[in-house]
Amino acid sequence: RKEVEQDPGPFNVPEGATVAFNCTYSNSASQSFFWYRQDCRKEPKLLMSVYSSGNEDGRFTAQLNRASQYISLLIRDSKLSDSATYLCAVNRAARNTPLVFGKGTRLSVIA
Amino acid sequence: EAGVVQSPRYKIIEKKQPVAFWCNPISGHNTLYWYRQNLGQGPELLIRYENEEAVDDSQLPKDRFSAERLKGVDSTLKIQPAELGDSAVYLCASSLIVDEQFFGPGTRLTVL
Repeated sequence: RKEVEQDPGPFNVPEGATVAFNCTYSNSASQSFFWYRQDCRKEPKLLMSVYSSGNEDGRFTAQLNRASQYISLLIRDSKLSDSATYLCAVNRAARNTPLVFGKGTRLSVIA
Repeated sequence: EAGVVQSPRYKIIEKKQPVAFWCNPISGHNTLYWYRQNLGQGPELLIRYENEEAVDDSQLPKDRFSAERLKGVDSTLKIQPAELGDSAVYLCASSLIVDEQFFGPGTRLTVL
C-alpha cells in the first residue's frame, strides 16, 4: 500500500456543484495533514491544514477520519477558478517529520 | 511578505552536464526543503535542512546530487552529471511552523 493515495480523477463538474475528494494514508502514526492546490505549471500552494475536529474555510471543508485513515476535502458551489490539482500531504509519523504527498486529484469545473 | 525565490526558472542542458539550482527561503524560516516533482506526480522530498544542518537526506541520490545551505539561509542543489531521468521540476519550500510549507515557483529542468 502506498503511503498516500488519491484518486487522480479528473473530476469534471459543472459550476455550482459540490465535489469531494478523499485521500488515504497508510501510517497510523501520522500527525499532520494538509491539502494543497496546484495550478498547471505552478507550485503547490497551501490550501488548508486538516485538524482532528475538521475545519472549514468558506466553501472548503476538510475532515480527518483517523479510524479509517483518510482525509477529505469538500468544495461547495464550485467556481471555474477552482479548477486545479488538489494534493494531499501527510507527515510520516511524529511531528517534524517529512511530508509525503499524494499524486493529486485533478478537478475541472465546467461552465 | 516575499515568498520563496528560486532561480533559474527554466534550465535546458545536455546529459552529463552539471546544473545548479538556487533557493532563497522566506525570511525567518529555518527549515528548508528541496523536492522533485515529475509530471503527474506529487512532490518527492530530496533533502530537508534545519538551519544549516541536513536532517533528512535519505532520498537524495548522493552519487550525483549534492546540496548545501551555508549560513542557514540560501541553499543550492547541484546535479553532476545530469541524466535524462533527472528532467523534472525542482521545488524549494520553507517553513516556520512545523509542517506548514510554502513552495517557491520551481526550476523546470530538461535534460536532452
